[in-house]
Amino acid sequence: EAQVTQNPRYLITVTGKKLTVTCSQNMNHEYMSWYRQDPGLGLRQIYYSMNVEVTDKGDVPEGYKVSRKEKRNFPLILESPSPNQTSLYFCASSLSQGIYGYTFGSGTRLTVV
Amino acid sequence: ELKVEQNPLFLSMQEGKNYTIYCNYSTTSDRLYWYRQDPGKSLESLFVLLSNGAVKQEGRLMASLDTKARLSTLHITAAVHDLSATYFCAVGFGNEKLTFGTGTRLTIIP
Repeated sequence: EAQVTQNPRYLITVTGKKLTVTCSQNMNHEYMSWYRQDPGLGLRQIYYSMNVEVTDKGDVPEGYKVSRKEKRNFPLILESPSPNQTSLYFCASSLSQGIYGYTFGSGTRLTVV
Repeated sequence: ELKVEQNPLFLSMQEGKNYTIYCNYSTTSDRLYWYRQDPGKSLESLFVLLSNGAVKQEGRLMASLDTKARLSTLHITAAVHDLSATYFCAVGFGNEKLTFGTGTRLTIIP
């Protein structure tokens, strides 16, 4: 089944403890991206990647890192999480230029205390 | 900076009625998407609109795009309870940047 897989689904952590949220897709998509969803703000793009070793900042990249060493994987790294990064995170992928739309993962609900 | 505005933000409507959700955006783009999100769930792709005048229909939902007016609409015909959800439009810009509207929470009342 074609899908975008995120792990974990739920995560509670403490301020300053490094964490990684994984994202993997099995559709050979070039493009992958991370978003955070907060009430009243819709989804905001954090980082995106056009292909292996090609990444760029979205609208809210502060406090996040990404890497794209393999085409299928695009992990989101929080080096020193803070409470304002408590949010619902989505990973998405698409073929180039999104002409067939974007496929979203199931989401990761992160709480930083 | 690309801005995407949806209205209304909240919509409560009776079953059987018609209504339209509007999505305005501030910068030229030729890619517009509509998504549905149920509570606690991921985003489900509804429509991909890639050219001026594009119109797509699926069941009781129809989406259109006017790139000159920078406006897309999502029209709901004869609403049924199963359509209750939050609907997002998103605009593609430049090299794969995607900007979302804040969403329209739709509630269909029997």
